Amino acid sequence: GEEVAQTPKHLVRGEGQKAKLYCAPIKGHSYVFWYQQVLKNEFKFLISFQNENVFDETGMPKERFSAKCLPNSPCSLEIQATKLEDSAVYFCASSHTTGTANLAKNIQYFGAGTRLSVL
Amino acid sequence: DAKTTQPTSMDCAEGRAANLPCNHSTISGNEYVYWYRQIHSQGPQYIIHGLKNNETNEMASLIITEDRKSSTLILPHATLRDTAVYYCIVSGSSGTYKYIFGTGTRLKVLA
Repeated sequence: GEEVAQTPKHLVRGEGQKAKLYCAPIKGHSYVFWYQQVLKNEFKFLISFQNENVFDETGMPKERFSAKCLPNSPCSLEIQATKLEDSAVYFCASSHTTGTANLAKNIQYFGAGTRLSVL
Repeated sequence: DAKTTQPTSMDCAEGRAANLPCNHSTISGNEYVYWYRQIHSQGPQYIIHGLKNNETNEMASLIITEDRKSSTLILPHATLRDTAVYYCIVSGSSGTYKYIFGTGTRLKVLA
């Protein structure tokens, strides 16, 4: 598609329940990124993929969070045993890279986000 | 830590130019400057990017200083719909393409 599609728009979970978020990147884009926005301004990078492979997972919490990008399926971000502090808007972005290894341009296009509320 | 610093907020009269500054004094030679905006809680919207030269597109102009340590986003004729939080991001270092967002500038366009 021509835009990053995230589902669902809203997700409500009780503490301890599982949450699964989905992201369909723009067709032809090989990179997918997940960000968490808590409160109004603060974005936190979680993880990125290059096709099906984890590219950078330095922002991913060690416990409870996992993500996948499988062929012919939307990418997913799963939170096991949600906590109140997981309440946030989760944004997915996709991109393709142009340029060279030493000078790479990577414009990311963001989806509309999934608002997760943990009660 | 964010690699950029921006004023927390700015006001601009409708129809006037909005000039949003960004400091990125630690930018490295292989990093681009990207500008995005977020209207309400929508996903960040790409505006423009640049490396060394000034750039212009249908949305905005980007002025990058010669030493690349700062830049200014210019919205030439601001409208009420330009009210948003504007983020300046530098990215491109080898090994990762992740964006590190700062707190951005909350631009309010006044009627």
